[in-house]
Amino acid sequence: KAGVTQTPRYLIKTRGQQVTLSCSPISGHRSVSWYQQTPGQGLQFLFEYFSETQRNKGNFPGRFSGRQFSNSRSEMNVSTLELGDSALYLCASSFRNNEKLFFGSGTQLSVL
Amino acid sequence: ELKVEQNPLFLSMQEGKNYTIYCNYSTTSDRLYWYRQDPGKSLESLFVLLSNGAVKQEGRLMASLDTKARLSTLHITAAVHDLSATYFCAVDSARSNYQLIWGAGTKLIIKP
Repeated sequence: KAGVTQTPRYLIKTRGQQVTLSCSPISGHRSVSWYQQTPGQGLQFLFEYFSETQRNKGNFPGRFSGRQFSNSRSEMNVSTLELGDSALYLCASSFRNNEKLFFGSGTQLSVL
Repeated sequence: ELKVEQNPLFLSMQEGKNYTIYCNYSTTSDRLYWYRQDPGKSLESLFVLLSNGAVKQEGRLMASLDTKARLSTLHITAAVHDLSATYFCAVDSARSNYQLIWGAGTKLIIKP
């Protein structure tokens, strides 16, 4: 079974730009969640989608948004990038909410 | 607010020794998770603990949960170099709307 696939692996953007990250979950997994990982703040929950519906959202500004498609693939978007958005963005999938999570390799975003 | 504290945050130990990582959380939780992250890599699920007194073991790692003390431990027996990684615990509960709340991680270095 293929694992969770995140693209791109690395991304360099400048302040003010917007970015879209993609996540393909394990086949059959309907829950996709996103996390931000930084050295200073650690791992922080961004949002969780299940069957195309956002079920949960972390404490992030509205510049961070996401969606899930009918095939369970998910995207997250960050608009008006700030330097502080530089982080590793991890996507995880599970069959149901917060069962054992399977993580992708992440997208390392650098904002210059 | 649900908070998760891990200690120690950094641990350097010799091969062959035993040690324990502690994970305290502030309010009633539904599930407790342990994950491992190798440098530059994604997170790998180790254990999911659901109920008081739960104990799970995999190789040289054993995790336990005491819901009354709001404490989970990850015990490493006869450490080997391959166990060097950062270990995270995470908790979810109805109080956090089932968002995963993460500990800061314990960076474990095992010296030959």
